Amino acid sequence: AQSVTQLDSQVPVFEEAPVELRCNYSSSVSVYLFWYVQYPNQGLQLLLKYLSGSTLVKGINGFEAEFNKSQTSFHLRKPSVHISDTAEYFCAVSLPFTGGGNKLTFGTGTQLKVEL
Amino acid sequence: NAGVTQTPKFQVLKTGQSMTLQCAQDMNHEYMSWYRQDPGMGLRLIHYSVGAGITDQGEVPNGYNVSRSTTEDFPLRLLSAAPSQTSVYFCASSSRTGNNSPLHFGNGTRLTVT
Repeated sequence: AQSVTQLDSQVPVFEEAPVELRCNYSSSVSVYLFWYVQYPNQGLQLLLKYLSGSTLVKGINGFEAEFNKSQTSFHLRKPSVHISDTAEYFCAVSLPFTGGGNKLTFGTGTQLKVEL
Repeated sequence: NAGVTQTPKFQVLKTGQSMTLQCAQDMNHEYMSWYRQDPGMGLRLIHYSVGAGITDQGEVPNGYNVSRSTTEDFPLRLLSAAPSQTSVYFCASSSRTGNNSPLHFGNGTRLTVT
């Protein structure tokens, strides 16, 4: 079975500073990888996804992530954060071709707090 | 654009009571699912459906029932509420039965069982 580890439960950062949110996964087969963002009192929204091809994936709001197969990582980065990026970020993985449905396995989330 | 609509937004139950959390989507998505979100545990899959009349269990199905009589609706039933079911519940849907379609989430139902 696949699993996802987000080691940092909280990441404080000053506005306009760069940020990296870490995600490592475990799977014996190839997987699809996702980052979702959750703003307070809302559902989750897709930031970006890696399916295949280029290992650098660009998403919405200036975020990007790099898939590293040898390190089984999919870290999320932004070169300059804004106060509005304060939210909880979830890494998720799903297995290709399981016969139906997008059954994502989520990490435990990283709370990004951007301070002035 | 309504997307995925969940009702109610908040609910308080006493132990042993039953209730149904409603979920409706207007995007004609085949796939729908229910997750629960608990602090420090991320989101865990409860039940899912790949189309009308088809449902299956996820990671944490005990204490919950689902049915899918129409494409649009996917209600989640708590048969006899327990304090361990205090959580935030999210319904999600996606456009096809594939593993790379992004999930569209509702805004959640916050349930407290006393």
